[in-house]
Amino acid sequence: DAKTTQPNSMESNEEEPVHLPCNHSTISGTDYIHWYRQLPSQGPEYVIHGLTSNVNNRMASLAIAEDRKSSTLILHRATLRDAAVYYCILRDPYGGATNKLIFGTGTLLAVQP
Amino acid sequence: EAGVVQSPRYKIIEKKQPVAFWCNPISGHNTLYWYLQNLGQGPELLIRYENEEAVDDSQLPKDRFSAERLKGVDSTLKIQPAELGDSAVYLCASSPRLGDNEQFFGPGTRLTVL
Repeated sequence: DAKTTQPNSMESNEEEPVHLPCNHSTISGTDYIHWYRQLPSQGPEYVIHGLTSNVNNRMASLAIAEDRKSSTLILHRATLRDAAVYYCILRDPYGGATNKLIFGTGTLLAVQP
Repeated sequence: EAGVVQSPRYKIIEKKQPVAFWCNPISGHNTLYWYLQNLGQGPELLIRYENEEAVDDSQLPKDRFSAERLKGVDSTLKIQPAELGDSAVYLCASSPRLGDNEQFFGPGTRLTVL
């Protein structure tokens, strides 16, 4: 399984944008990039996913490098409720382990008021 | 719409005792997953079901762990006997079908084995 590398922790100020990086240099052509986040004492929550093009939804934006070896999750205006662990995950829907999410340790985002 | 429901939320037991966790997935979701999450780590898949069939249980320690999903709806995960190292959060997730992009997670059951 292709692996991802994320910083252990990041800090942000409330109402400022946050850019969470993820490196995945061994990504295969059929791997999708997924982001989940986990708020304290809760289960993980889907944020966004993409393959090649940048993606936007109500929660965040996903910027994918042209060579797909890295990506960035963008929270446009951080709030205190965005403080969580953010996981970057590669998933191949055509692989033998269909829909299998392999979580790493993620990035712990702290948001300061 | 109700999310994934898990019970109990917390459980404290003595080692060598049995324990069971219950999960009710989102209505209509055919695929159900059980994950184990140790402190400071991301969740790890234990088993996943497509309806009532376990399609991937390769990570389930079968000497002491068992799971069932009768009638393809609710599921139960059991540990017998529990060991100190089983202390963790047990998460249940569901998705409409195998291969879907989004999994919906429950709040988890925090197990403490003394």
